[in-house]
Amino acid sequence: TQLLEQSPQFLSIQEGENLTVYCNSSSVFSSLQWYRQEPGEGPVLLVTVVTGGEVKKLKRLTFQFGDARKDSSLHITAAQPGDTGLYLCAGEYGNKLVFGAGTILRVKS
Amino acid sequence: DSGVTQTPKHLITATGQRVTLRCSPRSGDLSVYWYQQSLDQGLQFLIQYYNGEERAKGNILERFSAQQFPDLHSELNLSSLELGDSALYFCASSVAGTETQYFGPGTRLLVL
Repeated sequence: TQLLEQSPQFLSIQEGENLTVYCNSSSVFSSLQWYRQEPGEGPVLLVTVVTGGEVKKLKRLTFQFGDARKDSSLHITAAQPGDTGLYLCAGEYGNKLVFGAGTILRVKS
Repeated sequence: DSGVTQTPKHLITATGQRVTLRCSPRSGDLSVYWYQQSLDQGLQFLIQYYNGEERAKGNILERFSAQQFPDLHSELNLSSLELGDSALYFCASSVAGTETQYFGPGTRLLVL
């Protein structure tokens, strides 16, 4: 059983559509990170959220940390083919970073 | 480019063999982390070293070991390899703790 559950596992959409990816847990995290990974490369950090209820924006990406610090969401507005990749959430749990299984996003032009 | 380097990029070997993966962290980073990524398990934390000392341990098998040297580069040793060890192995580094980790490009290991 994953400590962090991500949904959906796979998402295929058309360019210009909006989407939301979810990261849920029954555990409380002191911080939560979102990464994007492209084929053949390592994950790249997009954002870290620390405070419950926090919202951070990165261009067309909006990240939200749940009030109870148990869940997070990533919303992409007007998706583009360049957004294609594996999106991973990761929570700081003890001294370790625990990753969700990821959401594979494919944006078709 | 994250500043973290890993060698080799690809490795093909046979069951029962031993391999060593190498990682050089970003300049100034004291912590090195090793992760294994496979299709069925996702990205799994293996072990963390901080300034030469083991700091945290994850799902690392007894057949696997790691160390961090005085120049802060790290090696991950995998022995008695099994087919199921085939995976991508990532190294990441950070200044100290788990705040921002920078991942290397990974080593793709194939055990035949």
